[in-house]
Amino acid sequence: GAGVSQSPRYKVAKRGQDVALRCDPISGHVSLFWYQQALGQGPEFLTYFQNEAQLDKSGLPSDRFFAERPEGSVSTLKIQRTQKEDSAVYLCASSLALDEQFFGPGTRLTVL
Amino acid sequence: KNEVEQSPQNLTAQEGEFITINCSYSVGISALHWLQQHPGGGIVSLFMLSSGKKKHGRLIATINIQEKHSSLHITASHPRDSAVYICAVTTAIQGAQKLVFGQGTRLTINP
Repeated sequence: GAGVSQSPRYKVAKRGQDVALRCDPISGHVSLFWYQQALGQGPEFLTYFQNEAQLDKSGLPSDRFFAERPEGSVSTLKIQRTQKEDSAVYLCASSLALDEQFFGPGTRLTVL
Repeated sequence: KNEVEQSPQNLTAQEGEFITINCSYSVGISALHWLQQHPGGGIVSLFMLSSGKKKHGRLIATINIQEKHSSLHITASHPRDSAVYICAVTTAIQGAQKLVFGQGTRLTINP
């Protein structure tokens, strides 16, 4: 498809497990963003890549959160030692430079 | 105080009514976005604007830069318009493109 895809769509983890969430942006999109959306809230910024460079990671809530985009395309958000408060929908978006952002369907993470 | 405030938080209306959702922001912006999110679904961008007014079908978005205020209007509302509408701004900080989001407005249109 031509849109942003994310996998898995749903993830259930036991507290303390590590998880990895994947984002496939639209081909050719330079910018890639990760957002966290808690239940009933608006999304909140986590981190931003321009190609493979992570230009802003100010929104990552702790050092348990790590994101990478090694080849400037696919990105992975990793959460180590998951906690219950990490339960949320994780949204990925991509854009061409300073332009409209296109969102993926999100990954719903539930930490038990 | 949030940098982006929306009102109302919840809105229920009858089919056919004219709908207005408001957004106020307190930071310098390079653009303002209106987004739509259906339950369990992803986010769809409706409008991106930096001045004036844009129209797409039954949707109209306006922005007043001086007053730091934007409105989203839906004419002849329909039950399929039921969704969460989110206002977000791209801050004007050089090199930063991150969106700052409002809390969303949950719209329910009853037949």
